[in-house]
Amino acid sequence: AQKITQTQPGMFVQEKEAVTLDCTYDTSDQSYGLFWYKQPSSGEMIFLIYQGSYDEQNATEGRYSLNFQKARKSANLVISASQLGDSAMYFCAMREDLNSGYSTLTFGKGTMLLVSP
Amino acid sequence: DTGVSQDPRHKITKRGQNVTFRCDPISEHNRLYWYRQTLGQGPEFLTYFQNEAQLEKSRLLSDRFSAERPKGSFSTLEIQRTEQGDSAMYLCASSFGQGDKETQYFGPGTRLLVL
Repeated sequence: AQKITQTQPGMFVQEKEAVTLDCTYDTSDQSYGLFWYKQPSSGEMIFLIYQGSYDEQNATEGRYSLNFQKARKSANLVISASQLGDSAMYFCAMREDLNSGYSTLTFGKGTMLLVSP
Repeated sequence: DTGVSQDPRHKITKRGQNVTFRCDPISEHNRLYWYRQTLGQGPEFLTYFQNEAQLEKSRLLSDRFSAERPKGSFSTLEIQRTEQGDSAMYLCASSFGQGDKETQYFGPGTRLLVL
């Protein structure tokens, strides 16, 4: 089974509008972390936001917020006030078993976001 | 501000040749990771170092692949006898182990094309 599922291969949004990118995950661990990365066409993976499984509040970083619904095992990324520079691939990733000290990331297949003027 | 750097950014080689990639992590980071990303996929874990010790290798890392991190600083990833299936983006990431909020920071990647 896929550990990270991103069901939207592509999303379109107009500049200044908000957009939600979906991510569901599968783990039996109680302690895990969820990450979102942005990958522009240049290739570099840029860290955006982190949510820990025990965090009671949804994470926010500037225009990025994470809609974390633990019971549904979803961790959707919300980008408010989209900008043209937000056009990129977006990857959801998970790190499991945080207490083990082993911290490999498992990534989804990504969602391509295109922001139009 | 020096982030993670990788060299070369692009490499074109013929099947059967050996290639070596270099990664320079963020200076205070003790952990270093290699990932491979093929077209249309997310990155997949290859191997992981804590300081100079290689602690984990994915089954994706065949015998033709070897990675080192001498003195716990930069790392190299070598692919021997390259095959067309090795064509991919090779990403390096580094982190400082600091509990559950540990975040991996990625370099720009090396795009490999095997002809």
